[in-house]
Amino acid sequence: NAGVTQTPKFQVLKTGQSMTLQCAQDMNHNSMYWYRQDPGMGLRLIYYSASEGTTDKGEVPNGYNVSRLNKREFSLRLESAAPSQTSVYFCASRTELLESPLHFGNGTRLTVT
Amino acid sequence: LAKTTQPISMDSYEGQEVNITCSHNNIATNDYITWYQQFPSQGPRFIIQGYKTKVTNEVASLFIPADRKSSTLSLPRVSLSDTAVYYCLVVRYSGAGSYQLTFGKGTKLSVIP
Repeated sequence: NAGVTQTPKFQVLKTGQSMTLQCAQDMNHNSMYWYRQDPGMGLRLIYYSASEGTTDKGEVPNGYNVSRLNKREFSLRLESAAPSQTSVYFCASRTELLESPLHFGNGTRLTVT
Repeated sequence: LAKTTQPISMDSYEGQEVNITCSHNNIATNDYITWYQQFPSQGPRFIIQGYKTKVTNEVASLFIPADRKSSTLSLPRVSLSDTAVYYCLVVRYSGAGSYQLTFGKGTKLSVIP
């Protein structure tokens, strides 16, 4: 099993450009999450999807959109990138049980110039 | 949100036991406590979790007092490879199959030879 796979690993964008970060999991998990990680800020939740067909905002959703394409895939879109969105983005998944741990991908490092 | 507070950093010599305490004063009755470890350029990895009292696995122990307003991750006899950032996370059910999974800013543990 590959677990949680994120693509691309690295990306550089100019201000105003758009892009989609892809995430796929092969563990048959219902719930998927997008976090961003900035120095000194820990991990902050952008959006999550409790199950296929549902999405909800997290702590820092402004400037992002998400799509839960199917049970396996959860994408994060930046419509008009800004330098403040320079960050490392992590996707994670888990089952619907309270004690189920999060399984993370290895992240996408995004730089917006 | 279930907020958590941890020390920003800790240093320890190899072979010592390390205890990292997380404060979660607004923990609710059914919330669950989990800990993650993160190495540079990787996603966080689940270490241990619990609801109350003490939990031990092959990697660490977790101590949770009766009031559950804090938890302590204990790493026995640390080695250089334990140098990482450690996150405390409180899992809270928010209804309709959704869970709040809010990370704190983490504790950077540096193990010194």
